[in-house]
Amino acid sequence: DTAVSQTPKYLVTQMGNDKSIKCEQNLGHDTMYWYKQDSKKFLKIMFSYNNKELIINETVPNRFSPKSPDKAHLNLHINSLELGDSAVYFCASSPRDYPYEQYFGPGTRLTVT
Amino acid sequence: ILNVEQSPQSLHVQEGDSTNFTCSFPSSNFYALHWYRWETAKSPEALFVMTLNGDEKKKGRISATLNTKEGYSYLYIKGSQPEDSATYLCATLSGGGADGLTFGKGTHLIIQP
Repeated sequence: DTAVSQTPKYLVTQMGNDKSIKCEQNLGHDTMYWYKQDSKKFLKIMFSYNNKELIINETVPNRFSPKSPDKAHLNLHINSLELGDSAVYFCASSPRDYPYEQYFGPGTRLTVT
Repeated sequence: ILNVEQSPQSLHVQEGDSTNFTCSFPSSNFYALHWYRWETAKSPEALFVMTLNGDEKKKGRISATLNTKEGYSYLYIKGSQPEDSATYLCATLSGGGADGLTFGKGTHLIIQP
């Protein structure tokens, strides 16, 4: 019954590794998002993906790449992990229509050592 | 990207008292304003989506108002209960919906028995 799910919930890895976080929504939404909660607990948009259109936030390093195999999934792949990537990452989805009410996943806490 | 400011940053309220807090945003290019309730270790939960100047929404003891001309929204909680303790986030659409939400830093509300 979970509307927006993410796996894993916790991810501990070493610097330099490549990792992926998966997100799935069963709400039939067309748009999905990735947000990063920084060390000050501030939520910032990283990416949004509307069907086949990817909207990139320019402040996100290109080591981060979202991949959407289909409308219900938006995975986040991170290359060459750095200490500063440690954060909680939230996936969200919304209908395609205004006002785009967003539904959030439970978050993935990434710790880079 | 719109800058969203919330005040106060934290708030201690006695159980049974009513309280309110503010979200401020640039009044130009307004699309919609979202209020979320965020408990620790959980995902943000949508409270209201405000779309029109003068919009008012209510859900139980919680209500919100919107003034798009002057760029602010108030969230009110009547008769605070311990379960109201959470961080309350407001967020605006920074453009078309697929650009994602721009969040404020939240108001951390603690209800003291």
